[in-house]
Amino acid sequence: QVQLQESGPGLVKPSETLSLTCAVSGYSITNGYFWGWIRQPPGKGLEWIATIYLSGSSYYNPSLKSRLTISADTPKNEFSLKLSSVTAADTAVYYCARHSYNYGVDYWGQGTLVTVSS
Amino acid sequence: EIVMTQSPATLSMSPGERATLSCRASQSVNSRLAWYQQKPGQPPRLLIYGTSTRATGIPARFSGSGSGTEFTLTISSLQSEDFAVYYCQQSDNWPLTFGGGTRVEIK
Repeated sequence: QVQLQESGPGLVKPSETLSLTCAVSGYSITNGYFWGWIRQPPGKGLEWIATIYLSGSSYYNPSLKSRLTISADTPKNEFSLKLSSVTAADTAVYYCARHSYNYGVDYWGQGTLVTVSS
Repeated sequence: EIVMTQSPATLSMSPGERATLSCRASQSVNSRLAWYQQKPGQPPRLLIYGTSTRATGIPARFSGSGSGTEFTLTISSLQSEDFAVYYCQQSDNWPLTFGGGTRVEIK
């Protein structure tokens, strides 16, 4: 059974860098599929942030691209997100997920709330 | 960027009624359209992918249809556990985009 678990600080100061890691179990991230991050501000809708495909491709939301880095640690079967220069607008629940062109987002982590505040 | 527009924003229904949720894309998404259900405090759950294929374990009362730019999620007879927020999402083009959601509430 595929499981994803986010980890990282729950509180980040404005202008600093938000760093999150997603640990994947039950499936190798090198075995295909896209691995991505999606966020949801409190009380609002879903926004895709970034995705990595282990063949070497990365995809970023254009509205955030200048501040984003996505990477993977294949021996640990994890992937990570860094979002720099955060503001209060980046406060959200951040989900890691597995997805594909044809099968939607089929596995989600439980989500982790990141609050940007001094 | 493909803009996904869902309507209505809120649907007030009674248990047992048929619910019809709409999703419109700003350009064709070639059937790469998925639907999700989200309850408070939980991640979204995949209901439908490829416009009309139910995900594993999804009851038959959920069905999806449509093509091109117009899509529909139908819940044939609302159960108490179906009152939630529903999102559509396209995966045909980057960036991936979601609709703003439809809240199905108890009337």
